[in-house]
Amino acid sequence: EIVMTQSPGTLSLSPGERATLSCRASQSVSSNLAWYQQKPGQAPRLLIYGASTRATGIPARFSGSGSGTEFTLTISSLQSEDFAVYYCQQYNNWLQYTFGQGTKLEIK
Amino acid sequence: EVQLVESGGGLVLPGRSLRLSCAASGFTFDDYAMHWVRQAPGKGLEWVSGISWNSGSVGYADSVKGRFTISRDNAKNSLYLQMNSLRVEDTALYYCAKLIYYDSNAIDYWGQGTLVTVSS
Repeated sequence: EIVMTQSPGTLSLSPGERATLSCRASQSVSSNLAWYQQKPGQAPRLLIYGASTRATGIPARFSGSGSGTEFTLTISSLQSEDFAVYYCQQYNNWLQYTFGQGTKLEIK
Repeated sequence: EVQLVESGGGLVLPGRSLRLSCAASGFTFDDYAMHWVRQAPGKGLEWVSGISWNSGSVGYADSVKGRFTISRDNAKNSLYLQMNSLRVEDTALYYCAKLIYYDSNAIDYWGQGTLVTVSS
């Protein structure tokens, strides 16, 4: 089972600042990496797939990069609605997906 | 409109069984793989199990392998999760999810979840 490790666990920033979230895979997942956003009481929402492609309707301030085992989600200028929990997920192994433990992005 | 509606959750004793269901509508159900994802109270997301469109391939997280069985009935547009030998640590909100990843597109749809509580 591929283990996904996210850092930091919590990130405290102010609106307008840049956020950088990291995700590491225990083995290569190529570019088969997605990022999800989850707000309290809601189901997750897909932000990024293929490591760097924004899903439909996702603002351009969200960007993803990386391949293999190291990935980054960047939010260029934080808006109030961006404060949430973010998860990376690998889908490299068919029907053996795994999520990271999440990064909580909170208002400083 | 895509809809995924889970049911079957509840309070169950450790060691007992429970069967979750997910009713799908608004898309051609038998064209897609489907998944179960769970979230323990206050914790992160955990992918639990997935099944291919024709039930030919299934997968499980290590934490549930040998105890949970995923299945589907394409004639009824329904997904199931049979959970046996339940443990306290299986307590979670269980989501039914359509997670599709292509090179040029990706789709995610989630149900509202059904809560499973394993406790004596």
